[in-house]
Amino acid sequence: NAGVTQTPKFQVLKTGQSMTLQCAQDMNHEYMSWYRQDPGMGLRLIHYSVGAGITDQGEVPNGYNVSRSTTEDFPLRLLSAAPSQTSVYFCASLSQGNQETQYFGPGTRLLVL
Amino acid sequence: QKEVEQDPGPLSVPEGAIVSLNCTYSNSAFQYFMWYRQYSRKGPELLMYTYSSGNKEDGRFTAQVDKSSKYISLFIRDSQPSDSATYLCAMSFIQGAQKLVFGQGTRLTINP
Repeated sequence: NAGVTQTPKFQVLKTGQSMTLQCAQDMNHEYMSWYRQDPGMGLRLIHYSVGAGITDQGEVPNGYNVSRSTTEDFPLRLLSAAPSQTSVYFCASLSQGNQETQYFGPGTRLLVL
Repeated sequence: QKEVEQDPGPLSVPEGAIVSLNCTYSNSAFQYFMWYRQYSRKGPELLMYTYSSGNKEDGRFTAQVDKSSKYISLFIRDSQPSDSATYLCAMSFIQGAQKLVFGQGTRLTINP
């Protein structure tokens, strides 16, 4: 199993550009989520999904869109990037059968100029 | 004020020392408590999961929860250089690791 994979590893955007951060998991996990990590802030939940076709907002959803068309994939879209979205983004997945262990991907570092 | 407060450190100790990492929280509705370890430029990985007041031990790691004081701790015994990482506490209102609220993380260095 590859676990949770994220692409790209690093991205530079200009203000106003759009992009999609990709996340995939091969563990057949029902629950997936996106967090951002900023210095001094820890990780903060952006959006989450409890299954295909179902998404909901987390603590900091503004400026981000998500969709979940398959169990495996959970892309995060930035519609119009802002410097405040410079961060490290982590995707995570969790099985309903073992709700204690959330598996995190390696992260995507995003710099918005 | 953040719901979960964690001293960001950095914390530097000699190899073999006992390390104590702590978090406080303000919302008594938190019921489930976790500690994650994050190596540099990697994603967090779960170390400990607990949901009741008291101690839970796993090898060299002990997680302690005091719900009356809204205080959790992670103790590392016989610390090793490989324990050098950032340690994040996390909490949830609901069972499981969904919808976590994280502390800021403490950067720990174990010196050989």
